[in-house]
Amino acid sequence: AQTVTQSQPEMSVQEAETVTLSCTYDTSESDYYLFWYKQPPSRQMILVIRQEAYKQQNATENRFSVNFQKAAKSFSLKISDSQLGDAAMYFCAFGNQFYFGTGTSLTVIP
Amino acid sequence: DTGVSQNPRHKITKRGQNVTFRCDPISEHNRLYWYRQTLGQGPEFLTYFQNEAQLEKSRLLSDRFSAERPKGSFSTLEIQRTEQGDSAMYLCASSLKGSSGNTIYFGEGSWLTVV
Repeated sequence: AQTVTQSQPEMSVQEAETVTLSCTYDTSESDYYLFWYKQPPSRQMILVIRQEAYKQQNATENRFSVNFQKAAKSFSLKISDSQLGDAAMYFCAFGNQFYFGTGTSLTVIP
Repeated sequence: DTGVSQNPRHKITKRGQNVTFRCDPISEHNRLYWYRQTLGQGPEFLTYFQNEAQLEKSRLLSDRFSAERPKGSFSTLEIQRTEQGDSAMYLCASSLKGSSGNTIYFGEGSWLTVV
């Protein structure tokens, strides 16, 4: 079975500070992609960042970066210089069918 | 650039009625996915198509649920004999297999309320 676990239901961060959201997963596949999606109050799911499992280099997208540990099946998201607009639910996902975690609600404190 | 379009955006129906949702994917995308999301939860996979073929169905997709994608273009998700537990947001997404890691792009969702 393929599962995704986000162990932090809620996180908060001061504006301009850095926060890390955790995600672990379980799969028997060797080649796959991992994703972080953001869902603001509008409920529109927005792609934040993507990581290819066969690449050792961690993906970076502006203020967003990942720490991908394949052996540990861990895929955390780091948000640097947090902005008020980063407040949202964040979901980790992977697999062809895109299994999603239960999400982490991020609050940004002005 | 037209994204994934879902209709209707909101539907209120009485228990026992049938409802149908439509999804129009991004035009060149060959994969189409349906998810269900309840408040405070992540999207739950229901089913996905590659072109017109339905490749996988979740156990969540009971016999009251049926999805089609005729001609590999738009898709419909029908729920028969709705129950209050069906109240949720139904998300559609699409992707182009082999492109950008099969990144999926979501529509805005269709909210279903069963009263």
